[in-house]
Amino acid sequence: SSELTQDPAVSVALGQTVRITCQGDSLRSYYASWYQQKPGQAPILVFYGKNNRPSGIPDRFSGSSSGNTASLTITGAQAADEADYYCNSRDSTVNPRDVIFGGGTKLTVL
Amino acid sequence: EVQLVQSGAEVKKRGESLKISCKSSGYTFTRYWIGWVRQMPGKGLEWMGIIYPDDSDTRYSPSFEGQVTISADKSINTAYLQWSSLKTSDTAMYYCVRPNAEATASSAYDLWGQGTMVTVSS
Repeated sequence: SSELTQDPAVSVALGQTVRITCQGDSLRSYYASWYQQKPGQAPILVFYGKNNRPSGIPDRFSGSSSGNTASLTITGAQAADEADYYCNSRDSTVNPRDVIFGGGTKLTVL
Repeated sequence: EVQLVQSGAEVKKRGESLKISCKSSGYTFTRYWIGWVRQMPGKGLEWMGIIYPDDSDTRYSPSFEGQVTISADKSINTAYLQWSSLKTSDTAMYYCVRPNAEATASSAYDLWGQGTMVTVSS
């Protein structure tokens, strides 16, 4: 199966913009989905597909994709955005019903 | 309310069997795939596999094939994850998940169970 690679940790100053990236060959064929996980909680979906934000997710969360890289951008990061972020996508190498997750990025809001 | 409610935490010994459950409500169970995701302590998310409850079509991650069994009982809107012989390395939080769209094994999981913590001791 293929892999999705994320930076282990990223930091951002309060109110600034941060981009979290996810790289992998499967992203040339499939869109990424993005999840936010806070300590002791289940992950929640924050962005998916070409341009989809689930109901209740603030519009400061946006996503984009180019080639083998997907990005989640938080515009005007808030203290509440400090969390682990994971990308996932279908796996293009074995079976399209298979799914792979990135290793996660810990976001610190300074 | 649309939700997935998982069974409670389990403490087991190495070699024991275990079956945990994920009960759906608020939507048509047979129209959506249901998957399982593992999170070992302090680690990331790992996709284990997925099942379509209507016909029990199942797909496993190569990493978990032969290690676990995913099943579903559509009469009671419940999916299961089971082990025949637990290892200490199975200690983890397990989440059931549902894709955002009917009848598609999408990777966009908009519905998550609360998680079931499984602890396996030697």
